[in-house]
Amino acid sequence: AQSVTQLDSHVSVSEGTPVLLRCNYSSSYSPSLFWYVQHPNKGLQLLLKYTSAATLVKGINGFEAEFKKSETSFHLTKPSAHMSDAAEYFCVVTYRSGGYNKLIFGAGTRLAVHP
Amino acid sequence: GAGVSQSPSNKVTEKGKDVELRCDPISGHTALYWYRQSLGQGLEFLIYFQGNSAPDKSGLPSDRFSAERTGGSVSTLTIQRTQQEDSAVYLCASSWGRSVGSYNEQFFGPGTRLTVL
Repeated sequence: AQSVTQLDSHVSVSEGTPVLLRCNYSSSYSPSLFWYVQHPNKGLQLLLKYTSAATLVKGINGFEAEFKKSETSFHLTKPSAHMSDAAEYFCVVTYRSGGYNKLIFGAGTRLAVHP
Repeated sequence: GAGVSQSPSNKVTEKGKDVELRCDPISGHTALYWYRQSLGQGLEFLIYFQGNSAPDKSGLPSDRFSAERTGGSVSTLTIQRTQQEDSAVYLCASSWGRSVGSYNEQFFGPGTRLTVL
């Protein structure tokens, strides 16, 4: 069975400091993993995706994530937080069912960035 | 180009009333998904449409929920006899056709916030 756990419901950082949003997954086979971001009153936007190519994945806005199979993790990082990064972030695992890819979302991590 | 649009953006209704939520997918996208996002929760899959194929309704929580997609484009999610636990944000997403092997990115609309009093 596939599942995803986001280890922190809230993360607070100061502007200019590193960001770490943690995600662990469970999958019965090689998964595809994603991070989505949701800004207030806006739709979800794909940040980055891992689909069995390079284990270090670079996304938009300076975010990146590393797939670690031994740790079943896919943590999201950014070297230096910006005020505009404040949003909710979702870790997602996908699996094929009924001939298409289904998404399973984590519960989300709300990132707050302080001046 | 235009993204996925949803209407209304907010809907307040009384318990027991029926509501209809609308989704306009990106032009040319044949796959359409509905999700529900309850407070403090991740997204919960509701239903999936692909072209003219029978929809995957496996995520619908009860028979009060139904959805249709007319002409392979616009979709309507209907909730009958609404209950307070139906209060949530309902999100629609669309993507290019049936994915084979690789992932077809789902593009999400801004959602409809439903409040049942």
